[in-house]
Amino acid sequence: GENVEQHPSTLSVQEGDSAVIKCTYSDSASNYFPWYKQELGKGPQLIIDIRSNVGEKKDQRIAVTLNKTAKHFSLHITETQPEDSAVYFCAAQNSGYALNFGKGTSLLVTP
Amino acid sequence: ETGVTQTPRHLVMGMTNKKSLKCEQHLGHNAMYWYKQSAKKPLELMFVYSLEERVENNSVPSRFSPECPNSSHLFLHLHTLQPEDSALYLCASSQSSSGQTQYFGPGTRLLVL
Repeated sequence: GENVEQHPSTLSVQEGDSAVIKCTYSDSASNYFPWYKQELGKGPQLIIDIRSNVGEKKDQRIAVTLNKTAKHFSLHITETQPEDSAVYFCAAQNSGYALNFGKGTSLLVTP
Repeated sequence: ETGVTQTPRHLVMGMTNKKSLKCEQHLGHNAMYWYKQSAKKPLELMFVYSLEERVENNSVPSRFSPECPNSSHLFLHLHTLQPEDSALYLCASSQSSSGQTQYFGPGTRLLVL
């Protein structure tokens, strides 16, 4: 089955700096890659996603890049703010039902 | 977050109790999911329902029993759980069951004593 690895497990940045979270996947048939943000006491919320026919997608301060050949994708957050502090999860899905999640990255943005 | 609601938000139960978790989605979606979230582990898919039919059971023990009476409601019936079943149980829904964005509820924090 699909195996998604996510790094780093924790990340601390100063407010205004950029944060990068990286994921790799094993199943070359995976074609949908969402990123979720989970704040304390809440369920995961989709922040951005990318499909395999696109190499990069941007939404304001958040961008995702996908390298299908290397089977890795990354989340980039620019101009980080304290409210960006949360746990971020990457996931990969092929044509089946399951979203296969990474273990998460705990991001802390310090003022 | 109001698109997918879950009740109760917190639950403490003994190993001999029977309880049920409820999920409701207000998004008009056709697929619903149960996930288990444990500390330091990836979210684990438990069950998938598409158009009220169970399409995936991810090797979940029989002490967890799902029910999907209609496309808006999903239940997880719990019976004779073990302490290691303590976790956050998340419900999600999507338009269809493949390649579609899944929207999560806030979860039920379960503690089994």
